[in-house]
Amino acid sequence: EAQVTQNPRYLITVTGKKLTVTCSQNMNHEYMSWYRQDPGLGLRQIYYSMNVEVTDKGDVPEGYKVSRKEKRNFPLILESPSPNQTSLYFCASSLASGNNEQFFGPGTRLTVL
Amino acid sequence: GNSVTQMEGPVTLSEEAFLTINCTYTATGYPSLFWYVQYPGEGLQLLLKATKADDKGSNKGFEATYRKETTSFHLEKGSVQVSDSAVYFCALSAYNAGNMLTFGGGTRLMVKP
Repeated sequence: EAQVTQNPRYLITVTGKKLTVTCSQNMNHEYMSWYRQDPGLGLRQIYYSMNVEVTDKGDVPEGYKVSRKEKRNFPLILESPSPNQTSLYFCASSLASGNNEQFFGPGTRLTVL
Repeated sequence: GNSVTQMEGPVTLSEEAFLTINCTYTATGYPSLFWYVQYPGEGLQLLLKATKADDKGSNKGFEATYRKETTSFHLEKGSVQVSDSAVYFCALSAYNAGNMLTFGGGTRLMVKP
């Protein structure tokens, strides 16, 4: 089954404790991205990757890191989480061109105390 | 920069009522336009899309027409069902922004039996 998977689905952590949210897709997509969803703000892009070893900042990259060492994986790293990073996070992937459908993972709900 | 504005919710309708969710956009050039739907506890799914002016996207009884003259992409359905209850996001993808999706704030639809 074609899908985007994220782990963990739920995470409660404390300020300053490094964490990684994994994302993997099995559709051989070149493009992957991370979004955060906050009430009333819709989804805002954190980082995206056009291909392996190619990453770029989205609208809200502060406090996040990403890497794209393999085509299928695109982990999101929070080196020192803070309470304002409490949010619902989605990973997405698509074929490279602009008007293709993006496939979303099921989401990771993160709470930073 | 690019932006998407959609009507605030929640929108509450009775089953079989007519649905309109307004969406307008600002973008450079000729963006592709999308409606995504998010059912409770799930990630986003593409509902429909249109890639050029006057195109009509349609799926599952929903329709939206790309109106360049009014920079709009309103979502409509003639007869809603309880199972349509979800959050609906209007989004655009512009060539000058790679494949980055710019989302509206989302509109929650609640359909009562």
